[in-house]
Amino acid sequence: QVHLVQSGAEVKKPGASVKVSCKASGYTFTSYYMNWVRQAPGQGLEWIGLINPSGGGSAYAHKFQGRVTMTRDTSSSTIYMELSSLRSDDTAIYYCARGLIAVAPLDSWGQGTLVTVSS
Amino acid sequence: EVVLTQSPGTLSLSPGERATLSCRASQTISSSYLGWYQQKPGQAPRLLIYGGSIRGTDIPDRFSGSGSGSGTDFTLTISRLEPEDFAIYYCQQFGSSPYTFGQGTKLEIK
Repeated sequence: QVHLVQSGAEVKKPGASVKVSCKASGYTFTSYYMNWVRQAPGQGLEWIGLINPSGGGSAYAHKFQGRVTMTRDTSSSTIYMELSSLRSDDTAIYYCARGLIAVAPLDSWGQGTLVTVSS
Repeated sequence: EVVLTQSPGTLSLSPGERATLSCRASQTISSSYLGWYQQKPGQAPRLLIYGGSIRGTDIPDRFSGSGSGSGTDFTLTISRLEPEDFAIYYCQQFGSSPYTFGQGTKLEIK
C-alpha cells in the first residue's frame, strides 16, 4: 500500500525558510515523480512543481522559481521541498503527491503539512 | 498559463440526484491531461478521474468524466449522489506547466 508521510507543522517568521519532507513507502521510489501542491486556508489548490526521484531533475512553476528547491534522498525514499524568503501569503497546507510520469495525474497524496508564516 | 474555470461554484442537491460539474479551459487541452479530484474537509484530495474518463483506484462507477480528444469543456458527472459524495471537486490540467487547478465546485446537501 502506498504511503506518503509528511513532516509536522511549522511556524516560521517572514523572510525565513522552511523545509518539508515527504517519506514514501509501498512502491518503487524512483519510478514515480513527486509533485508539491499547496492550499492556503479556505482556498483552492496550487501546483508548486515536481521532481524526478530517479535523476533528481525538477521543474517549478514560474511563480516559485528562485524561492523553491526540491531534492531527494534515495537511501531513505524521502523528498524534500524547501521554500525560502517566506511571506505571510505562503501560509498554507503543503502536500506531496506522486505521479507516474511528469505529465500524469496525482494518484496518491501525503497528509499535508501546515506551514504558518507569522511575525 | 492554462486557466481552468469551474462551474457552478456551489451546487446544492439531494442524495440520489444527479450532479453535473463543469470545467472550462482557457485554451484547448487534451483530455489525456485532465483530471478530477475530490476533497473532503480536513483531508488531502483524492484522484477520481483522469485521462478524461478513466476512474482512479476504487472509485465507484457512479463517477464518470466526459471528454475525449482535445477541447476546452470537460464534465464530471455523479449519477446518483451518496451522502459521502458531498465535498469539493477540483479539475486539474497536467499537460502544460504550470499544472493548474480550477477553483473548485462545492457540492452541498440541499
